[in-house]
Amino acid sequence: AQSVAQPEDQVNVAEGNPLTVKCTYSVSGNPYLFWYVQYPNRGLQFLLKYITGDNLVKGSYGFEAEFNKSQTSFHLKKPSALVSDSALYFCAVSPYGNNRLAFGKGNQVVVIP
Amino acid sequence: GAGVSQSPRYKVAKRGQDVALRCDPISGHVSLFWYQQALGQGPEFLTYFQNEAQLDKSGLPSDRFFAERPEGSVSTLKIQRTQQEDSAVYLCASSFLGRDDNEQFFGPGTRLTVL
Repeated sequence: AQSVAQPEDQVNVAEGNPLTVKCTYSVSGNPYLFWYVQYPNRGLQFLLKYITGDNLVKGSYGFEAEFNKSQTSFHLKKPSALVSDSALYFCAVSPYGNNRLAFGKGNQVVVIP
Repeated sequence: GAGVSQSPRYKVAKRGQDVALRCDPISGHVSLFWYQQALGQGPEFLTYFQNEAQLDKSGLPSDRFFAERPEGSVSTLKIQRTQQEDSAVYLCASSFLGRDDNEQFFGPGTRLTVL
């Protein structure tokens, strides 16, 4: 069975500083990896995905993520955080051939002005 | 372009009541998913449809949960004899193709509170 770990409950970062949200996964076979963001009272919004190819994936709103197969990680990064990036971030994995997504518990990101 | 819509947005039920939650996916999307999100947790998979066929219902927590998508578009998640542990946000998602590398587009969810 697949699983995702997001080890930090909350990530605090000053506006303008780099932002990193950590994610590690466990899955048999090749993984499809996703990041979603959730704002209050709104649905999950897709940020980016890794399917194959270049390990560095670029997504919406200036976010990127790096797939590291040896460390089974898919950390989300943004070079310069904005106050508007404050939200709940979820990492998810779907093993090849299986449509169901397994989500981590989420990380609350707080960007301090 | 309309996204995934869900109704009602909020539902309060007394323990033992039956509830029905509706999902309207993005037009043309083949795949439809239901997830349950408990407070402070990530979404947990419930069930998956490709068109009208329910291909995976392994995440449904009990036989009180039932989902259908009879015409391959709108879907309904029904919970019979609701219990307090059913209180959660129920999320619906759709994706364009029946492929697992497609991103899923989520609706705003239905918050169910069972008293």
